[in-house]
Amino acid sequence: AQSVTQPDIHITVSEGASLELRCNYSYGATPYLFWYVQSPGQGLQLLLKYFSGDTLVQGIKGFEAEFKRSQSSFNLRKPSVHWSDAAEYFCAVASSNDYKLSFGAGTTVTVRA
Amino acid sequence: DVKVTQSSRYLVKRTGEKVFLECVQDMDHENMFWYRQDPGLGLRLIYFSYDVKMKEKGDIPEGYSVSREKKERFSLILESASTNQTSMYLCASSLGLAGTDTQYFGPGTRLTVL
Repeated sequence: AQSVTQPDIHITVSEGASLELRCNYSYGATPYLFWYVQSPGQGLQLLLKYFSGDTLVQGIKGFEAEFKRSQSSFNLRKPSVHWSDAAEYFCAVASSNDYKLSFGAGTTVTVRA
Repeated sequence: DVKVTQSSRYLVKRTGEKVFLECVQDMDHENMFWYRQDPGLGLRLIYFSYDVKMKEKGDIPEGYSVSREKKERFSLILESASTNQTSMYLCASSLGLAGTDTQYFGPGTRLTVL
């Protein structure tokens, strides 16, 4: 069965500093990988997704993620965070022939001035 | 833009009550999903539907049922609400498979069962 681990429950970062959120997956075949963001009081919004090809994926809001098969990881990065990036971030995995997404537990990001 | 709406943002019910959570999407999507979100557990799939009147159990279906009579509407039913069903409930929809088509989420319903 596929599963996703987000090792960091909570990260605090200063505005303007870089951010990296970790995601590790367990899946037998090549996974389809996603990062979603949930701002306070909102539903989830897709930041980016990886299906195949270039292992560095660009998303919305200045985020990028890198797929590393050897490490079973799909870490999310942003070079310079803004106060509006304070939110909860979820990594998710799916297989090519499935309707379902499997989500990690989420990482809450706090941005301090 | 895809829009997924949920009937209530906040709901308070009493133990034993029958509870209906409604979800409507406006993009003619084939698939609809109900998730439950709890701190430290992320999102867990309760049920999903890949066509009208079709449904499949997700990871935590116990205590829940669903109904999809029309393509745009997917209802989650708590037959007899219990305090351990206090949670945030998120509805989502997608056109096709999770691997190829984005799931779009509603704003969520925060349900409290007293």
